[in-house]
Amino acid sequence: DTVMTQSPLSSPVTLGQPASISCRSSQSLVHSDGNTYLTWLHQMPGQPPRPLIHHTSSRFSGVPDRFSGSGAGTDFTLKISRVETEDVGVYYCMQATHFPHTFGQGTRLEIK
Amino acid sequence: EVQLVESGGGLVQPGGSLRLSCVVSGFTFSRLAMSWVRQAPGKGLEWVSGIRIGGGDTYYADSVKGRFTVSRDDSTNTLYLQLNSLRVEDTALYSCSTWYGTGIYYDYWGPGTLVTVSS
Repeated sequence: DTVMTQSPLSSPVTLGQPASISCRSSQSLVHSDGNTYLTWLHQMPGQPPRPLIHHTSSRFSGVPDRFSGSGAGTDFTLKISRVETEDVGVYYCMQATHFPHTFGQGTRLEIK
Repeated sequence: EVQLVESGGGLVQPGGSLRLSCVVSGFTFSRLAMSWVRQAPGKGLEWVSGIRIGGGDTYYADSVKGRFTVSRDDSTNTLYLQLNSLRVEDTALYSCSTWYGTGIYYDYWGPGTLVTVSS
């Protein structure tokens, strides 16, 4: 299975400051069709996950441009340029290149 | 707008069975590949199963292979997950998601249905 390892697992951030979450996969996420199926999701308590980023760096419709994704191969990063109150919660990376599809452990973002 | 609504969860004893349903509206269901994802209480997300357009290809996590079966009925826009030989560790919120077919992937998620396995 493709293991997805996120760091940090917890991230206290000051409002208005940037935040960054790393996600590393145990094998390359480049699919045979040339695409990289790496997604970032945000989950608040009691809510279903909200997809933020797909194909490593493309924002889903309605996602604020303070969220950005980057990376390639096995190393990926989610950045929030200026953290807002509504950004608290747990962030997951997910790969859909290899079966079984797998998630990272989650990174809890909290306000200092 | 695409909407997914799960049902069928409940309390079941170890070794028991349940069938979960996910009804999709707002998109042509037959053009969607779908997945099931679960989340145990207080834990992270775990992919469970996927089914391609047409239903001919299905995929499972090792933890459920041989016990769970995914299927679909395109005439009723419904995705199913048959859960057999349930274990305490299968206790989780089970959610369906659009795998691909909308132009992106994993872009729509249902709120989930809770399965509790306990004696």
